[in-house]
Amino acid sequence: AQTVTQSQPEMSVQEAETVTLSCTYDTSESDYYLFWYKQPPSRQMILVIRQEAYKQQNATENRFSVNFQKAAKSFSLKISDSQLGDAAMYFCASHWGSGNTGKLIFGQGTTLQVKP
Amino acid sequence: NAGVMQNPRHLVRRRGQEARLRCSPMKGHSHVYWYRQLPEEGLKFMVYLQKENIIDESGMPKERFSAEFPKEGPSILRIQQVVRGDSAAYFCASSPQRTRSSGANVLTFGAGSRLTVL
Repeated sequence: AQTVTQSQPEMSVQEAETVTLSCTYDTSESDYYLFWYKQPPSRQMILVIRQEAYKQQNATENRFSVNFQKAAKSFSLKISDSQLGDAAMYFCASHWGSGNTGKLIFGQGTTLQVKP
Repeated sequence: NAGVMQNPRHLVRRRGQEARLRCSPMKGHSHVYWYRQLPEEGLKFMVYLQKENIIDESGMPKERFSAEFPKEGPSILRIQQVVRGDSAAYFCASSPQRTRSSGANVLTFGAGSRLTVL
């Protein structure tokens, strides 16, 4: 079975500092996509960043970047220059294969606290 | 573009009643997905629909839960004879029709409907 695991229930970071959230996954598929979603207190799920497994280059979106280690099945999210608005629950998610494109498997989530 | 609209945002039901949750996808999106989020957990896939068709319902409980996406109108997630364990946030997401160049569709999520069963 395909799984996504986030082993850090909670993390905290000082404003303007950098924090890394961990995510590991398990699959035998060769074609898959990985995502990080942010869920602030409003509960809205917001896509932060995505990575295609066939791409070796790590995805970046402004202050957000990933460290995709395919052999280790690891997909961590780095947030640089943390801001108070980054405080939220972060979910790692994956989609496997080339079929149904909306069936995502989510990790358990990491709550990020940003300290002023 | 109003995004994915879900209503109601909050719904309270007593055990044994029915709950109906509605989802209007983003304009131009023809695929709808329902997810459930139990307290302190990640989202779990329930069902994937296109207009008038259920494509994948592998995450739906076998009894009491049903979903539809009619030709006209919003997608409906229906829970009959609710029990306390059904209390959760139910999220709807939508995506455009996938093309090979786009890879996996990026889902746009609604703000969720929180169901509380007393």
